[in-house]
Amino acid sequence: DGGITQSPKYLFRKEGQNVTLSCEQNLNHDAMYWYRQDPGQGLRLIYYSQIVNDFQKGDIAEGYSVSREKKESFPLTVTSAQKNPTAFYLCASSIPHTRGTRDTEAFFGQGTRLTVV
Amino acid sequence: AQKVTQAQTEISVVEKEDVTLDCVYETRDTTYYLFWYKQPPSGELVFLIRRNSFDEQNEISGRYSWNFQKSTSSFNFTITASQVVDSAVYFCALSEPLSMNTGFQKLVFGTGTRLLVSP
Repeated sequence: DGGITQSPKYLFRKEGQNVTLSCEQNLNHDAMYWYRQDPGQGLRLIYYSQIVNDFQKGDIAEGYSVSREKKESFPLTVTSAQKNPTAFYLCASSIPHTRGTRDTEAFFGQGTRLTVV
Repeated sequence: AQKVTQAQTEISVVEKEDVTLDCVYETRDTTYYLFWYKQPPSGELVFLIRRNSFDEQNEISGRYSWNFQKSTSSFNFTITASQVVDSAVYFCALSEPLSMNTGFQKLVFGTGTRLLVSP
């Protein structure tokens, strides 16, 4: 079955440590996204990539880094510079909205819950 | 800038009641998409519906229906005869172009409405 796989489901980070969240998709989607969800808030865009080897900052990119070496993979690194990393992280992918294109909604993974200990 | 407002933080109903989740949006774009997603306790966002800004027809899918009114910038979601399995957080979202001519869009989310359906 096609879909998006995020791992791990739960992740604990010590102060000052970098951690990497994995996101893999087999939907053959060009675009991939990382969103952050905090309690009582909507999702906010961290980074996105529209094509391999290219990515752009979203609304809250500080303290995060990404890479897009393969179409299927878009890992997110939460660096020690991120002062408040405890949150739920969701990865998504989509195809472009062009005339006549349907099924352009974003598909989401099951998320990674990151906790700083 | 785009904005989505879901004023209802939490709604509690008893099974078989009808419930409407409100969504109001702001955008300067003339072409946009509106979405509803369901987030069950497992965390994954499940796509429910996409509506193009040019299509104001209401839509019904089983117990779910959506009322899109451009004049009031609202895209409300109604669940008829609610069931316990409908308990989840529901997000309304609005598309915003990421860059010109690529067709890719990000989603601007509301803060979500938690629906609790009790037996």
